Amino acid sequence: AQSVTQLGSHVSVSEGALVLLRCNYSSSVPPYLFWYVQYPNQGLQLLLKYTTGATLVKGINGFEAEFKKSETSFHLTKPSAHMSDAAEYFCAVSDSGNTPLVFGKGTRLSVIA
Amino acid sequence: GAVVSQHPSRVICKSGTSVKIECRSLDFQATTMFWYRQFPKQSLMLMATSNEGSKATYEQGVEKDKFLINHASLTLSTLTVTSAHPEDSSFYICSAQNGTDPAGYTFGSGTRLTVV
Repeated sequence: AQSVTQLGSHVSVSEGALVLLRCNYSSSVPPYLFWYVQYPNQGLQLLLKYTTGATLVKGINGFEAEFKKSETSFHLTKPSAHMSDAAEYFCAVSDSGNTPLVFGKGTRLSVIA
Repeated sequence: GAVVSQHPSRVICKSGTSVKIECRSLDFQATTMFWYRQFPKQSLMLMATSNEGSKATYEQGVEKDKFLINHASLTLSTLTVTSAHPEDSSFYICSAQNGTDPAGYTFGSGTRLTVV
């Protein structure tokens, strides 16, 4: 069974600083990996996903993530934080691309002016 | 891009009544629909998986007679919370699987249910 661990339930960065949200997964098969963002009382918006191929994945709003099989990690980064990036971020894994996503507990990102 | 319309966005109901939540895939066929529940400041917990024309598969601990799921067409799935109680108050989110898009999961905007 898959599982996802997001290190840090709350991350705070200054505006313009690097954003790094950590995600480690466990999966018995090559995983499909996802990052979603959630604003209060809203659904989930896909930031990016890894299925196959290039391990560095670029997403929307300047976010990117790198799949590192040896480290079982899929950390999310953004070079320069904006105030509008303040939200809840979820890492998720699927073992086949058509089974339910398994989510991490989420990381709340705060951006300080 | 793929869009899933979820309604209502928020609903308040009295204890003992039933509430229906709809999720529609607007521009693709949703072969599979996943229903999640999210408590405040927590992650999404899978409640059930439904495939068009089949009975839903419920996760352990989820009462199938309380949370009725119908997936009668490739564009519509509904979740009915029957005989709602205050402990059913939560944020419910659907996720539609696009059968033609590998790893294509599209989420609805969620429904905030408050039972008073």
